[in-house]
Amino acid sequence: DAGVIQSPRHEVTEMGQEVTLRCKPISGHDYLFWYRQTMMRGLELLIYFNNNVPIDDSGMPEDRFSAKMPNASFSTLKIQPSEPRDSAVYFCASSLSRGGGTGELFFGEGSRLTVL
Amino acid sequence: ILNVEQSPQSLHVQEGDSTNFTCSFPSSNFYALHWYRWETAKSPEALFVMTLNGDEKKKGRISATLNTKEGYSYLYIKGSQPEDSATYLCAWDGGGTSYGKLTFGQGTILTVHP
Repeated sequence: DAGVIQSPRHEVTEMGQEVTLRCKPISGHDYLFWYRQTMMRGLELLIYFNNNVPIDDSGMPEDRFSAKMPNASFSTLKIQPSEPRDSAVYFCASSLSRGGGTGELFFGEGSRLTVL
Repeated sequence: ILNVEQSPQSLHVQEGDSTNFTCSFPSSNFYALHWYRWETAKSPEALFVMTLNGDEKKKGRISATLNTKEGYSYLYIKGSQPEDSATYLCAWDGGGTSYGKLTFGQGTILTVHP
């Protein structure tokens, strides 16, 4: 299995631009998570999906952030408009529910976003 | 606010030393406690997922224990090697309607000097 695949790996953009991060979870996993990692706050959960349905988006910082999961093999995290304080590494992770696995998260390699 | 706390924040040991660090989490709700190993420039990888009070897990020189009643877990590394240098994260799953939603601690950064 190829693991969780994220793109792009690196993104440098200017303030005000739209940013779209993409994630392909491991086939068969029914949970998908978006995390943001910063020095100040560590790994914080932004939103997670179960069977493509958003379950908890309380970690999404503000309306500029949105996430979708149109099917079981693809999710996007969009920031519009982007701001310098959005600069961080964004991780996508997937897991199997309790019935099918231990619930451990499998992380992608992350997308490093820099907003100038 | 339900916090997951890890200590120490960082640790420097010599090759061959044994070491341990702590993760504390809310004991009021519990489904699982995860430990992840995060090497620089890579993504976190799961070490253990523990669900039962008194659980002990072992993988090579690394082991972990769990006390859900008092809300703590210990991670032990026996005979540390330079390749053990990484950030060790614990994450708490409170279960119930928020099953699968992991709250991570800030991590313990371990540096093993040759």
